[in-house]
Amino acid sequence: GGIITQTPKFLIGQEGQKLTLKCQQNFNHDTMYWYRQDSGKGLRLIYYSITENDLQKGDLSEGYDASREKKSSFSLTVTSAQKNEMAVFLCASSAGTANTEVFFGKGTRLTVV
Amino acid sequence: GDSVTQTEGLVTVTEGLPVKLNCTYQTTYLTIAFFWYVQYLNEAPQVLLKSSTDNKRTEHQGFHATLHKSSSSFHLQKSSAQLSDSALYYCALSPNSNNRIFFGDGTQLVVKP
Repeated sequence: GGIITQTPKFLIGQEGQKLTLKCQQNFNHDTMYWYRQDSGKGLRLIYYSITENDLQKGDLSEGYDASREKKSSFSLTVTSAQKNEMAVFLCASSAGTANTEVFFGKGTRLTVV
Repeated sequence: GDSVTQTEGLVTVTEGLPVKLNCTYQTTYLTIAFFWYVQYLNEAPQVLLKSSTDNKRTEHQGFHATLHKSSSSFHLQKSSAQLSDSALYYCALSPNSNNRIFFGDGTQLVVKP
């Protein structure tokens, strides 16, 4: 089996700061995703990528940038952290073919002070 | 557009009693796969069940779900809830023709002694 590793696990930033979250997968999956998880709001897609150097905007891409440097890694940048923002960011990957499940990392918990 | 609706944000049930988590959907795609994901506290979401066959019951870990295209539903059920079932449950649909996955808002299941 494979694993998705997200770093850091906890991230504390200041208002207006640019923050980067990293994700690595060893499934050799083509497709990777970034989701934001807020209590009561489910999983909201920020960006996804179907192959190296590809980027597709999700429903919540404003305020974020992403980069798929290589097949195994997908990073997310919060361009300007908002004060009192608290959320968990989940990275995921899938083979991208029919009926295949998505595998998730454990998340990065962001707090903005 | 495509969407998944989970009507209950929180379901509380007594141990040993049956539980049902509702999931309905809207989609424009003809061929789709459906999933239930479970997320235990401080863990990553993981697949619990998946199905793409109309009117066929799918079972795993005591849970079962049947896809009913006639009513656009994929409800999750268990005949006897266990304390260890307490978790956050997401219903999701995955069109076979692209890499997007649509998640519901999630239902928090609390099983009480």
